[in-house]
Amino acid sequence: QVQLVESGGGVVQPGGSLRLSCAASGFTFSDYAMHWVRQAPGKGLEWVAYMKYVGGNEYYADSVKGRFTISRDNSKNTLYLQMNSLRAEDTAVFYCATTVTPYYFDYWGQGTLVTVSS
Amino acid sequence: EIVLTQSPATLSLSPGERATLSCRASQSVSSYLAWYQHKPGQAPRLLIYDASNRATGIPARFSGSGSGTDFTLTISSLEPEDFAVYYCQQRRNWPPITFGQGTRVEIK
Repeated sequence: QVQLVESGGGVVQPGGSLRLSCAASGFTFSDYAMHWVRQAPGKGLEWVAYMKYVGGNEYYADSVKGRFTISRDNSKNTLYLQMNSLRAEDTAVFYCATTVTPYYFDYWGQGTLVTVSS
Repeated sequence: EIVLTQSPATLSLSPGERATLSCRASQSVSSYLAWYQHKPGQAPRLLIYDASNRATGIPARFSGSGSGTDFTLTISSLEPEDFAVYYCQQRRNWPPITFGQGTRVEIK
């Protein structure tokens, strides 16, 4: 079955960097677009970034544009999120998700917690 | 950016009761709207897509309706496992993909 497993979360100081990974299995990873979605403590869901199945098409939320970079390695069935210049307001659980039903999030990982704090 | 406003913020109901959740879009999203269920510590779960289509494996007690700017998620008879937070999401006009702020369905 479809499985998405995020890793790479942790505690980082403001201004620091972190790279999240999402290992995919149970489906043909290279056939589907992937997204990152986050949830700050006590808040709702916020879409963060999108990458098309073959790469090259990327979109970002305004709140992370210029600081975060989404990428993928289809040979490793893995999605990444490079996060630079982290701020306290980036503290959140980050989920990777895929949209088998176009632009709706059918499958999600369990999430990885990123805490930005000094 | 399309803003989705959900109401009420919290719905207090008993098992067996009917739940009616609302999602209003700041401009038309046609039928390009989904509903998700989210429980603490779990991944969100797609319930309804394109306003009224149940996702795979979703029980028939969940139904969606609406088009344009006004949408409704109905849970016909609440089961204990249905108490959770529900979000709507639009894909009509993106980026960005946007979510509503959520409705919490709690046990009365």
